[in-house]
Amino acid sequence: GNSVTQMEGPVTLSEEAFLTINCTYTATGYPSLFWYVQYPGEGLQLLLKATKADDKGSNKGFEATYRKETTSFHLEKGSVQVSDSAVYFCALRRTGNQFYFGTGTSLTVIP
Amino acid sequence: DAGVIQSPRHEVTEMGQEVTLRCKPISGHNSLFWYRQTMMRGLELLIYFNNNVPIDDSGMPEDRFSAKMPNASFSTLKIQPSEPRDSAVYFCASSLPSGSSLGDTQYFGPGTRLTVL
Repeated sequence: GNSVTQMEGPVTLSEEAFLTINCTYTATGYPSLFWYVQYPGEGLQLLLKATKADDKGSNKGFEATYRKETTSFHLEKGSVQVSDSAVYFCALRRTGNQFYFGTGTSLTVIP
Repeated sequence: DAGVIQSPRHEVTEMGQEVTLRCKPISGHNSLFWYRQTMMRGLELLIYFNNNVPIDDSGMPEDRFSAKMPNASFSTLKIQPSEPRDSAVYFCASSLPSGSSLGDTQYFGPGTRLTVL
């Protein structure tokens, strides 16, 4: 079946530290892959996406590369800010419009 | 440009009462999704519609839950009777047709925080 596994949180980093949040997926064929971010008290917002192998999605300094050989889509940022504190969700879309979300990883950035 | 609109934003009710959550998707989006988010279970898909037709309701917890989409601009999620374990944040999301270049992105509403006492 289709599923997404992402690293357990919570993650706590100091400002300007390097961030990696691991995400691996299981799917048949060629899914589209996404990272969503949820700030406190808000709904999920699309952060970035990639629709085919080797594509790199990027936004607001965050990047993730679609790796088919390792079925991974790890989220990275070179220098986190306090404002990046949020919950991050990895997701895939297979056929149709149904999404499969990971369990979310909470990130706290301290000054 | 209005995003997905949900109402109410907060709902507090007593066990046994009927609760109705409302959602207005983004204009032109033909797919609509209802999710439930709790600390214990994370984000769960309850049901989704394509062109106002329910496609997959396997995530609906039990018969106390029902969802309707009478037209392209409105959907409801009803819980009757409500129970304390239904307390959660309920999100609605919408997306364009899956064949379109932007059809693979879901846009979420701000959520309804439901508390059942």
